[in-house]
Amino acid sequence: DVKVTQSSRYLVKRTGEKVFLECVQDMDHENMFWYRQDPGLGLRLIYFSYDVKMKEKGDIPEGYSVSREKKERFSLILESASTNQTSMYLCASSPTRDRGRVAQYFGPGTRLTVL
Amino acid sequence: GDSVTQMEGPVTLSEEAFLTINCTYTATGYPSLFWYVQYPGEGLQLLLKATKADDKGSNKGFEATYRKETTSFHLEKGSVQVSDSAVYFCALSTHSNSGYALNFGKGTSLLVTP
Repeated sequence: DVKVTQSSRYLVKRTGEKVFLECVQDMDHENMFWYRQDPGLGLRLIYFSYDVKMKEKGDIPEGYSVSREKKERFSLILESASTNQTSMYLCASSPTRDRGRVAQYFGPGTRLTVL
Repeated sequence: GDSVTQMEGPVTLSEEAFLTINCTYTATGYPSLFWYVQYPGEGLQLLLKATKADDKGSNKGFEATYRKETTSFHLEKGSVQVSDSAVYFCALSTHSNSGYALNFGKGTSLLVTP
């Protein structure tokens, strides 16, 4: 079974803090993704990566950055957290083959609250 | 651009009732289509998928058929259980200049009562 783990289930931070959300997958997947989930808005793609040291912007990258130094790990960074970044953050991974047809596998999510 | 529209919830059903959750899409090309389920407090799990027209995906009693003529991928189950209470997301694979990603609907909450 594919396993995607996220470093924290719940996180509380203060406005202006630098926040790191970590994601690790154990299935040697090339592709990794970060989404945020908000009521009434569904899932929105923040950033994704197709390989180590590669990154691509998704639909809502503003206020976020990412790091992929190792194949199994994809980090989401909030350089200066703001209250409008309070959300559920979901990490996902998928294998490279035929990217358009394979499913993504999700972690349990991190619920971030910025005070 | 590519998009997914699914029926708004919440949907409330009695145990053993028939379930339909509607999903329609707009896409260029031939996307793959997916249903994901999110149980309370958890991440998303793949429920089923279909990669070409007329394909039927099925899993755990749920089914959905990829209908190109109506651009739909409705989720159905003949007899729901209390344990099916969750949020269901329809998604399609979409391609942009940056590559492939999943485009999700806003989710439909299902509550099944005993």
